[in-house]
Amino acid sequence: DTAVSQTPKYLVTQMGNDKSIKCEQNLGHDTMYWYKQDSKKFLKIMFSYNNKELIINETVPNRFSPKSPDKAHLNLHINSLELGDSAVYFCASSQEMELGEQYFGPGTRLTVT
Amino acid sequence: GENVEQHPSTLSVQEGDSAVIKCTYSDSASNYFPWYKQELGKRPQLIIDIRSNVGEKKDQRIAVTLNKTAKHFSLHITETQPEDSAVYFCAASNVRTGNQFYFGTGTSLTVIP
Repeated sequence: DTAVSQTPKYLVTQMGNDKSIKCEQNLGHDTMYWYKQDSKKFLKIMFSYNNKELIINETVPNRFSPKSPDKAHLNLHINSLELGDSAVYFCASSQEMELGEQYFGPGTRLTVT
Repeated sequence: GENVEQHPSTLSVQEGDSAVIKCTYSDSASNYFPWYKQELGKRPQLIIDIRSNVGEKKDQRIAVTLNKTAKHFSLHITETQPEDSAVYFCAASNVRTGNQFYFGTGTSLTVIP
């Protein structure tokens, strides 16, 4: 009965590779998000997406792209991985119209070597 | 866009004392202000929130106050316990911006037994 799930939990890969992180929510929420948390614990919004629009943080490199096969999923694709991409990536969801809390996934620790 | 500032970045208190964390926001249209607690290695979780039509909200040892005129809000934890040790994030949101959440930079709270 996990609300927001992510896979994998850990991801170790080499520079230049392409990887994906999957996210699923079973809460029926309209909006999903991706955050990057760096070593200093800053939580930075990368994308927010609902069935109407994708909002992209302008600082996010275009090597990062979200893909939503359906309302319950928002996957994160990363091309040409760089050392600076190493971080913990959190998926989250919220019910847009109710202006309620965000539910976070367990996070994916990405290490680029 | 919205800019959320959070202070202090680190806070140490003796067990039983109170802890106060302060945040300011820039967009007067923001109308929802949640606080998240993130324990080491875990996901952020909502602990309390406040909406712009309310000045104060309390839940047991935790309270949040909101001053819309000054555009700041604060988290108050009374009778702190070691298990309160974590990183705390404030956030501001406005449904007009597609429900994007803007997080503060986090406060690492340590409660000394």
